[in-house]
Amino acid sequence: GAGVSQSPSNKVTEKGKDVELRCDPISGHTALYWYRQSLGQGLEFLIYFQGNSAPDKSGLPSDRFSAERTGGSVSTLTIQRTQQEDSAVYLCASSSGTTQSNEQFFGPGTRLTVL
Amino acid sequence: GENVEQHPSTLSVQEGDSAVIKCTYSDSASNYFPWYKQELGKRPQLIIDIRSNVGEKKDQRIAVTLNKTAKHFSLHITETQPEDSAVYFCAASSSGNTGKLIFGQGTTLQVKP
Repeated sequence: GAGVSQSPSNKVTEKGKDVELRCDPISGHTALYWYRQSLGQGLEFLIYFQGNSAPDKSGLPSDRFSAERTGGSVSTLTIQRTQQEDSAVYLCASSSGTTQSNEQFFGPGTRLTVL
Repeated sequence: GENVEQHPSTLSVQEGDSAVIKCTYSDSASNYFPWYKQELGKRPQLIIDIRSNVGEKKDQRIAVTLNKTAKHFSLHITETQPEDSAVYFCAASSSGNTGKLIFGQGTTLQVKP
């Protein structure tokens, strides 16, 4: 079946502009995660959605970052008034959300470049 | 706060040798410890995981060990091959929430033919 998909694959924007990044999780997966990966760095947790529960937003670096998940499926990560330090690869992952299977399946990422 | 430390940041071995990557975690309530492999330009993929009720797990050339008392776990790759070259990330589940993972900074493994 289809894996996690993300769009766009690359995004170049000017400082101060807003951007929206999209994630389509694996069908039926109730858990969805957003991470940021700066060049040569690890995976920085941003936000976590699980079913209908309130999202865990504890990793969002500033109030310029927000995310939503509509209908329990597609998610959009929005970065307002982008800054150069926002340049990174943004990875989305999904999992079944059950305690029996914690495996997170990652999407290909969106490479964001802020000029 | 929750933290996972991973060492070394880079590791170079000769083909056929073993490679060991170590991680420590801060949250004693963590109970799930996966390892992900990320090849250049590709997405991370799970290669092996271990839960807190198990001390060791093997899958062919890969093994993971867990010491809950010391709060550290390690990845062991035997008989390394050039295709093992990649960045490896360890992770630990967040306290009270096994869905959320805290990742280490990654280890770049280079296997020289």
